Amino acid sequence: EPEVTQTPSHQVTQMGQEVILRCVPISNHLYFYWYRQILGQKVEFLVSFYNNEISEKSEIFDDQFSVERPDGSNFTLKIRSTKLEDSAMYFCASSRTPGGAFFGQGTRLTVV
Amino acid sequence: EDQVTQSPEALRLQEGESSSLNCSYTVSGLRGLFWYRQDPGKGPEFLFTLYSAGEEKEKERLKATLTKKESFLHITAPKPEDSATYLCAVQEDSNYQLIWGAGTKLIIKP
Repeated sequence: EPEVTQTPSHQVTQMGQEVILRCVPISNHLYFYWYRQILGQKVEFLVSFYNNEISEKSEIFDDQFSVERPDGSNFTLKIRSTKLEDSAMYFCASSRTPGGAFFGQGTRLTVV
Repeated sequence: EDQVTQSPEALRLQEGESSSLNCSYTVSGLRGLFWYRQDPGKGPEFLFTLYSAGEEKEKERLKATLTKKESFLHITAPKPEDSATYLCAVQEDSNYQLIWGAGTKLIIKP
């Protein structure tokens, strides 16, 4: 069964460093998303991506964040100058149509 | 103001004891309501999409229903492997992002 793959599963970084979280969406999906979940809190929408551009973004997704689809299979989230409060699980998701999406297993980001 | 509220926060049942989880929502227009299952340390696993009041979807021991203000996830004769956090999310008709509830942690005791 096709699945969304995320790497790494766990990333530890120093405050102020840049991190890149990687995702391989399901191959015939057209819509791509990043969500995050701070420990013990709700899942929060960050950004959606369609047709090689950002289609929607939340207030969380400020200039510190960027997304890229560098080739036909990968979808990345870059976080610049990480802060302690960026520590969270980051989930990539993809779907064929906008809406119900299939999620990866997540990358646990720990900023120290 | 919370747009998606799930209740109860936690629910403990004996194996075979049926029950329902609730998701109430307040949005100006609903494009879709989604149910997911999440195991600890894992990503949400898609279960159902509901689009209009009166719609029902079933999968194994789970059945989701939708009204104009809320959705129920009914679980019939649950097994210990049904233990997880069940998440509800809504999509407004003005955009495509999902707005999530806090989830119901379901524990099924053998």
